[in-house]
Amino acid sequence: GQQLNQSPQSMFIQEGEDVSMNCTSSSIFNTWLWYKQDPGEGPVLLIALYKAGELTSNGRLTAQFGITRKDSFLNISASIPSDVGIYFCAGRGTGGFKTIFGAGTRLFVKA
Amino acid sequence: GAVVSQHPSWVICKSGTSVKIECRSLDFQATTMFWYRQFPKQSLMLMATSNEGSKATYEQGVEKDKFLINHASLTLSTLTVTSAHPEDSSFYICSADGGGTSGKTSYNEQFFGPGTRLTVL
Repeated sequence: GQQLNQSPQSMFIQEGEDVSMNCTSSSIFNTWLWYKQDPGEGPVLLIALYKAGELTSNGRLTAQFGITRKDSFLNISASIPSDVGIYFCAGRGTGGFKTIFGAGTRLFVKA
Repeated sequence: GAVVSQHPSWVICKSGTSVKIECRSLDFQATTMFWYRQFPKQSLMLMATSNEGSKATYEQGVEKDKFLINHASLTLSTLTVTSAHPEDSSFYICSADGGGTSGKTSYNEQFFGPGTRLTVL
């Protein structure tokens, strides 16, 4: 079945640093979604991408839909302590509404 | 953005009892809702897809008689964990598909509820 490989698994950074994480797949997706989950809460949608090559920003966050439609990355610039959490990539393919999730990237930011 | 609520936010029950979890889309209509479970430090695992007015579609390995899903309206889906056991203890999260009909959501966006922490003693 479809799978997403998300990396890195975790990151420990200093406040102010930039962060980059990505997802790759052997399958083609029509939509890429990036979510953030805080402990004990549901994921919150950060950015949605609909076209190959699309680059979208949301404040300090920037995400791109890869040209091959098999990958996506998320960048966070000038990280702050409240960026701490788990970031999930998710992809939707051509077959329907099912969303495939990556394993998540745990971000730790040291003040 | 679109808001999805879940109730209760946490529940503790005795082994053998049944627990019902509600998922509501508050400001948009959702033809399709999804139920996930998440174990500590793991990703979300899709359990089933809930379609308004029809039977839910369960993922492989998920017992439909144990996890009863009802999607009676465009804003409400319920998950009932029947005869719960300690191994059913988990974080259950629902999500709703943005249908684009209300103008608040877009197709292919999925909005999550805050989750329900189930602990079975």
